[in-house]
This record gives sequence, C-alpha cells and structure tokens, in this order.
Amino acid sequence: GAVVSQHPSWVICKSGTSVKIECRSLDFQATTMFWYRQFPKQSLMLMATSNEGSKATYEQGVEKDKFLINHASLTLSTLTVTSAHPEDSSFYICSARELARQETQYFGPGTRLLVL
Amino acid sequence: DAKTTQPPSMDCAEGRAANLPCNHSTISGNEYVYWYRQIHSQGPQYIIHGLKNNETNEMASLIITEDRKSSTLILPHATLRDTAVYYCIVPRLSNTGKLIFGQGTTLQVKP
Repeated sequence: GAVVSQHPSWVICKSGTSVKIECRSLDFQATTMFWYRQFPKQSLMLMATSNEGSKATYEQGVEKDKFLINHASLTLSTLTVTSAHPEDSSFYICSARELARQETQYFGPGTRLLVL
Repeated sequence: DAKTTQPPSMDCAEGRAANLPCNHSTISGNEYVYWYRQIHSQGPQYIIHGLKNNETNEMASLIITEDRKSSTLILPHATLRDTAVYYCIVPRLSNTGKLIFGQGTTLQVKP
C-alpha cells in the first residue's frame, strides 16, 4: 500500500514551453501533497504544499506564477512549469500525506526535467 | 523542522548491522522522529518513525534515547541495495506536515 506515482518519469522540452507533471496517490486519499525539487548532488528542497480544493502554499523564493500547482482531487496533484528555461532543469518529486498513518508522507519516483 | 545533525557519510560491510546516528537536541515533547532514505535517482522512501519508544518494522529498528535528544536507525543486516542517503527529520508540529530535508548521511555498503 501507500504508493505514489508520477508521470512522466522524464521529459525533455524546448526553452519557453510549459510542462505538466502529474502526481497520483494510487491506494489512499491524500488531502495534502507536497512538491520538491532536487538539483544534482543536493538535498530535496520543498517548493510548495498542495491542499485538495484550495490554493497551494509556496515556500519563500518559489515563483507561484511559474510553478502552477493544482490539486483538484484527493488522489491527483499537478505541477506545471510554465515557460521553462534551462535553469528549471531538475528532478521534481512529489509526496502525499496519508492522515490515517500519523501523517507519514510517501514519495513518488520523481520526474526528471531537461530544458534545452 | 527541529534541527537534526547527522554524519555526512558512513561505510558498512555487507551483512553487518548499519547504525546511523542522529542528534535532535531541540525536539519538542510531541514531535516525531522520521527516517527516510533516497537511493540514487529515486524518490525518498519512508523507513520508520517514532515518538518515545523504540520501534521496529520489516526494514529497520529505531532506537530513541530516553531524553529524546538523539536516535539511531539500525539496519540489522545491510545489503548492497541499502546504499543510499539516509535522512533523519523531525517535522515541527506547526509546519502542517512539511518535511525539511537536510544533507543526510550517505551510507555506502561494501561487499
């Protein structure tokens, strides 16, 4: 149980285009999902907290107009990187919190984005 | 999150127990200690968590000191597949569940 999936697993796009990444909790309902970004040889950096049915809360320094987050259902959150540039190339990881398990978070496998 | 301190790296021989320490001296009474690990190029994997008592599951054991200021994650029989970065995290209760990742401990299991 407690499986989180992400799609796509990797994506290559041209500079200036937008990319959507999906995060799904497969066998549990997640009222809260989180989005992280990880650059090579660095730790995970929290970008935003996504609550079902409400606006996402962004961490300091993260541009909300560039990283659009939608959490329309209890099992799906999406992150859209708008007008992507090479510096947005990174490993994007989502997690979902299962309240029934003392707020333990379960992570997706990550999406590797390369912007050319 | 309550500040945690972990050694940057450790080695362990395959088949032996791996003991990964974590200091969290500013932990508050109701805050849990969580352990995650990240194998290269994958998303983090939940391992175990605890409050006061020692905990054990199919992956590992968690030993928390009586004053709760430190803990040790124990992998009883490390395998090569346990090579990963291990993160000890103490989420602040006021942070609505956010996990703030530090640098963790890179565990290298050697044959």
